[in-house]
Order: sequence, then structure tokens, then C-alpha cells
Amino acid sequence: QQQVKQSPQSLIVQKGGISIINCAYENTAFDYFPWYQQFPGKGPALLIAIRPDVSEKKEGRFTISFNKSAKQFSLHIMDSQPGDSATYFCAATHTGTASKLTFGTGTRLQVTL
Amino acid sequence: GAVVSQHPSRVICKSGTSVKIECRSLDFQATTMFWYRQFPKQSLMLMATSNEGSKATYEQGVEKDKFLINHASLTLSTLTVTSAHPEDSSFYICSARDPGYNYGYTFGSGTRLTVV
Repeated sequence: QQQVKQSPQSLIVQKGGISIINCAYENTAFDYFPWYQQFPGKGPALLIAIRPDVSEKKEGRFTISFNKSAKQFSLHIMDSQPGDSATYFCAATHTGTASKLTFGTGTRLQVTL
Repeated sequence: GAVVSQHPSRVICKSGTSVKIECRSLDFQATTMFWYRQFPKQSLMLMATSNEGSKATYEQGVEKDKFLINHASLTLSTLTVTSAHPEDSSFYICSARDPGYNYGYTFGSGTRLTVV
């Protein structure tokens, strides 16, 4: 019940295109859903996060869509750029004291010219 | 925003020696820090949760005697890999949660440990 399933495993998108990464969770107690971006040899960096009381959150070119009934959420990267090439992880947690993050398996995004 | 500093970024040690990795929260107090291990092209695997002033909580399968965690202050947690062996070579990452930062979990930049 703690799993977060992420797809696809890898993704190749042309510059200017839309990158879409999907995640699904099982634990209905989760109430915080962040997305992290990780470059090789670096720690993950928070990209954008959402709570289940909203269905969409947009920050610049990055948008999270959230479907509470389906227990799914997705990351959309608009106008994808070569600099967006990285590994993206979705995660989920219940924001109780010291709650740990449950991570998805990651998506390696490559944006080509 | 919250900043977590992790040192060293890279370390090479001989088999059988111990290595200490430091994780500091620079602009907030972290009562809880987390230690992860990441293998190439894989997700982050939580090793333990570090609580200030108390013993760490280890995930199932993680050897607490090999991976010693100390959280002596609200801004510092350390991970010591004892009697390191080549199979301990990995990317270790710490994280801390700043309740004042919209519940965000901030990660350190990671430590690449190579045991030769």
C-alpha cells in the first residue's frame, strides 16, 4: 500500500514538445505529492508539489495534474528544453510528524534538439 | 528556501576503513533528517530516519551497526559507514524536512562513496 508507480521509465521528447510523466499511488492517507528533478551526480531538487485539495498546479512550464478519485497524478513539462534532460521522480507522503517520502521509480527524460 | 549542505561530495576509501558523511541544515532546524542510498539508474532507497537527540530508525534490511547515524543537534546529522567494503560503494543522499517551507523535503547534493 506504500507503493508509488511511475511511468514511463524513459522518455525522449523533441525540443519544444510536451513531456508527460505519470504516477499512481495506493495509500489514501497520502496528502503531499512532490516532483523532484535530479541531474547526474546531484541530489534531487524539488520541482513542484501539490496537495489533494486542488486538481492542478502550475509553475512556469511545469504543471501537476491530480486526480484524487483515480489516485493518479502527472507532471507536464511544456516547451521542453534540452536543459530539462534529467531524471524525474514523483513522490508521496502523509504530512504527519517525521513522515518519510515514498518515491516512484524515476523517469529519465531526454530532450533532443 | 531551505538549504541542506552535505559533505564530502566524493570520497574514496580503502576497504576496512570507516567514512563519515555530514549533513547540515543551513537555514532551518531539522528535528528529522533522512538518509538515502541510490544505485545507478535507480530510485532513492531510504536507509534510516534520523531524529535529533534519539536513536535513528532503520529501514528493514539496513545494517545499523554498519551504517551509524548520529543526529546530535538540530542542524547536523552524520552517517558513518563502518568497515567499508566495495559493495558499500554507492551514492548517499541526506534530506531534511522544513515545516516552515511548505512541508518541503530538501535534499543534500549527495556523496559518492567509492571503496577500493
